[in-house]
Amino acid sequence: ETGVTQSPTHLIKTRGQQVTLRCSSQSGHNTVSWYQQALGQGPQFIFQYYREEENGRGNFPPRFSGLQFPNYSSELNVNALELDDSALYLCASSLWGVGTEAFFGQGTRLTVV
Amino acid sequence: RKEVEQDPGPFNVPEGATVAFNCTYSNSASQSFFWYRQDCRKEPKLLMSVYSSGNEDGRFTAQLNRASQYISLLIRDSKLSDSATYLCVVNPYYGGSQGNLIFGKGTKLSVKP
Repeated sequence: ETGVTQSPTHLIKTRGQQVTLRCSSQSGHNTVSWYQQALGQGPQFIFQYYREEENGRGNFPPRFSGLQFPNYSSELNVNALELDDSALYLCASSLWGVGTEAFFGQGTRLTVV
Repeated sequence: RKEVEQDPGPFNVPEGATVAFNCTYSNSASQSFFWYRQDCRKEPKLLMSVYSSGNEDGRFTAQLNRASQYISLLIRDSKLSDSATYLCVVNPYYGGSQGNLIFGKGTKLSVKP
């Protein structure tokens, strides 16, 4: 167990709806990154949060947004869901400034119908 | 050209076999390199970091060739439990957090009795 927890584990939403995914980082970690993993693909970097600010973003549209809270937990919000948003969403926590391992949560499997 | 490219696989090998995975990356400024393992419907987990001098961990050996922008993973004496998808991962930033990882598509390994 990594200590990184995500909720919910599974979710079904309708196209056009909005969704919020949550992540609790591992104790002592101050950086959270979010990834999208479509079936048969490797995870794709969405964005990273450090000190409650976005610090780096991948090739994802603005309808993907996030937050980081003072306790370092984080949320990923996706507006106007599209069918192609169906994927496994992974949260990874790590310690900024040190080249240590990024620990992944078990992921949230989102299905958009 | 994709940022990280891997052998497409799948690799189907008998127990005890030696198997090698290859990976190339496009960003010559990349500084940190890893192999992650992902079991079916689970989160990725760090298998090993990859250093220019090469490194070994039991049956696993990783090599990095910066001039060719090439990374490899060798698994000796394959076990049934090695069956998984192996992800080649690059961090384009020096030091700092291991967030913002660039993943390859992954290569699936199946070890048969």
